[in-house]
Amino acid sequence: AQSVTQLGSHVSVSEGALVLLRCNYSSSVPPYLFWYVQYPNQGLQLLLKYTSAATLVKGINGFEAEFKKSETSFHLTKPSAHMSDAAEYFCAVSDTGGFKTIFGAGTRLFVKA
Amino acid sequence: DTAVSQTPKYLVTQMGNDKSIKCEQNLGHDTMYWYKQDSKKFLKIMFSYNNKELIINETVPNRFSPKSPDKAHLNLHINSLELGDSAVYFCASSLRGPDGEAFFGQGTRLTVV
Repeated sequence: AQSVTQLGSHVSVSEGALVLLRCNYSSSVPPYLFWYVQYPNQGLQLLLKYTSAATLVKGINGFEAEFKKSETSFHLTKPSAHMSDAAEYFCAVSDTGGFKTIFGAGTRLFVKA
Repeated sequence: DTAVSQTPKYLVTQMGNDKSIKCEQNLGHDTMYWYKQDSKKFLKIMFSYNNKELIINETVPNRFSPKSPDKAHLNLHINSLELGDSAVYFCASSLRGPDGEAFFGQGTRLTVV
């Protein structure tokens, strides 16, 4: 069964610093992987997704993620954090049937001025 | 024009009551979901529907009964509410297939007192 593990429930960075949010996946088949962001009191919205077309995936708001099969990882990065990036971030994997997305526990990103 | 809309946004009710949450999507998606997010932000799928047909029921108590009158609507009825049902409930929709990202509603914060 597919699953994802997010390392670190909280990450704190200074404004302008690199953002790195870690995600490792477990899947017996090539996975479809996603990163979602949730701002306070809102639903989730897609940042980016990996569907095997390219290992480096660019998303919205300057975020990108790299799929590394050898490390079973799909870490999310952004070169320079902005105050508006403060939110909860979820890594997710789609099950093979396509009728269920399995979410990680989430990582709360704090951005300090 | 909201893609996935759910009502109400907030719901406060007493234990033992019955309540419903409505969800509508105008994206033309075939697949709709209900997710529950607990106080620690953990997201867990409850139900998945494809073209009005129940596909996934993740061992949710019988007190929860989803209904899909057509593929654009997926409502959730909850009988005999319990304190532990307090959570944020999200409706979502997607295209069918493992690479289809989910589009989420704004959530319904249910508080049972």
